[in-house]
Amino acid sequence: DADVTQTPRNRITKTGKRIMLECSQTKGHDRMYWYRQDPGLGLQLIYYSFDVKDINKGEISDGYSVSRQAQAKFSLSLESAIPNQTALYFCATSDGTSGEQYFGPGTRLTVT
Amino acid sequence: RKEVEQDPGPFNVPEGATVAFNCTYSNSASQSFFWYRQDCRKEPKLLMSVYSSGNEDGRFTAQLNRASQYISLLIRDSKLSDSATYLCVVKILTAGNKLTFGGGTRVLVKP
Repeated sequence: DADVTQTPRNRITKTGKRIMLECSQTKGHDRMYWYRQDPGLGLQLIYYSFDVKDINKGEISDGYSVSRQAQAKFSLSLESAIPNQTALYFCATSDGTSGEQYFGPGTRLTVT
Repeated sequence: RKEVEQDPGPFNVPEGATVAFNCTYSNSASQSFFWYRQDCRKEPKLLMSVYSSGNEDGRFTAQLNRASQYISLLIRDSKLSDSATYLCVVKILTAGNKLTFGGGTRVLVKP
């Protein structure tokens, strides 16, 4: 079984809709991250959390919110989706020491 | 200017050949460096860390040049399976140990 899972894997939604992307991990890591990836732009950090009570904004947090429900779960919400939020979204975890991050398989979101 | 910049490529490489490409970073407080590999529409995965003295992992060699603020990746004896996008990643201590990703360099190995 995958260590980092994301649901849904693909989602098409309409402008103005609220949508939640979920991430779960079995690696036992405290640190979790949400990124979006657009072609040619690399991964941009949306939000990150170093433990259940710690939530931090990343580079591009506007239009997004997160919830860290438990050590193993970190969800990303788009309160009112807009077309330029169409992207590939990745969740990742790390133990905070080695620098390595472990990524989920990604969620492909299309906002029409 | 982006914090981490890469030539997007693609680098078209004959099978068996050697390919090398660089990544430049702008923040002198950058502490740790990594190369990640990303296959099309898949998640990034750590390929190798980059150490100050340079390091090898099989056919892959990574170098760090702090004075000029770049890192490099060299792939020897390229295999078809090396076709992927290679992401340069920098960890900045003063930025809460977050990782900053470059846009990636695409490598296509052809028979």
